[in-house]
Amino acid sequence: DAKTTQPNSMESNEEEPVHLPCNHSTISGTDYIHWYRQLPSQGPEYVIHGLTSNVNNRMASLAIAEDRKSSTLILHRATLRDAAVYYCILRERDTLNTNAGKSTFGDGTTLTVKP
Amino acid sequence: EPEVTQTPSHQVTQMGQEVILRCVPISNHLYFYWYRQILGQKVEFLVSFYNNEISEKSEIFDDQFSVERPDGSNFTLKIRSTKLEDSAMYFCASNEQYFGPGTRLTVT
Repeated sequence: DAKTTQPNSMESNEEEPVHLPCNHSTISGTDYIHWYRQLPSQGPEYVIHGLTSNVNNRMASLAIAEDRKSSTLILHRATLRDAAVYYCILRERDTLNTNAGKSTFGDGTTLTVKP
Repeated sequence: EPEVTQTPSHQVTQMGQEVILRCVPISNHLYFYWYRQILGQKVEFLVSFYNNEISEKSEIFDDQFSVERPDGSNFTLKIRSTKLEDSAMYFCASNEQYFGPGTRLTVT
């Protein structure tokens, strides 16, 4: 599995935007970039994923570098409920179904949101 | 929004006993997974299941582990003879993006 590198921890103030970086310099052309988060005492929660273009959904935005060697998860206005461990994961594209394939979780970035 | 459910939320068992952890995936999904997370450690992949058979498994998923989908709705993980080191949170996932809340397994 291609490896990702994330900072161990980040802090943010409530109501401010948060940019969570991820480096994946060995990404292959068939890898999707997925982000999950894990709130305390809960299971992982899907946040967003993308391949080449920037993506937006109701939870966050994903900005992908042109060379795809890095990406940034953007929380537009952090709330206290966004305090979690955020995981950046590469998953190989399955030509039949993008829902196939396991996820390999690293240590992620622990986001602390201060009131 | 559809969700994955898991039962029980907490299971305590004695070493050497068999346990079955249950998951109800989202009904029209086709891919199912089990992961585990030992306290304070990373989420680890155990096994993936598609079309009524295992599609991939990790080194952790040895002969003591088995999975099945007995009735087309439930998806179970069985540990035949539990060890102390099996104590962990076990998460079921449906089509990969949807994780259940987990079952905390405590082996004493």
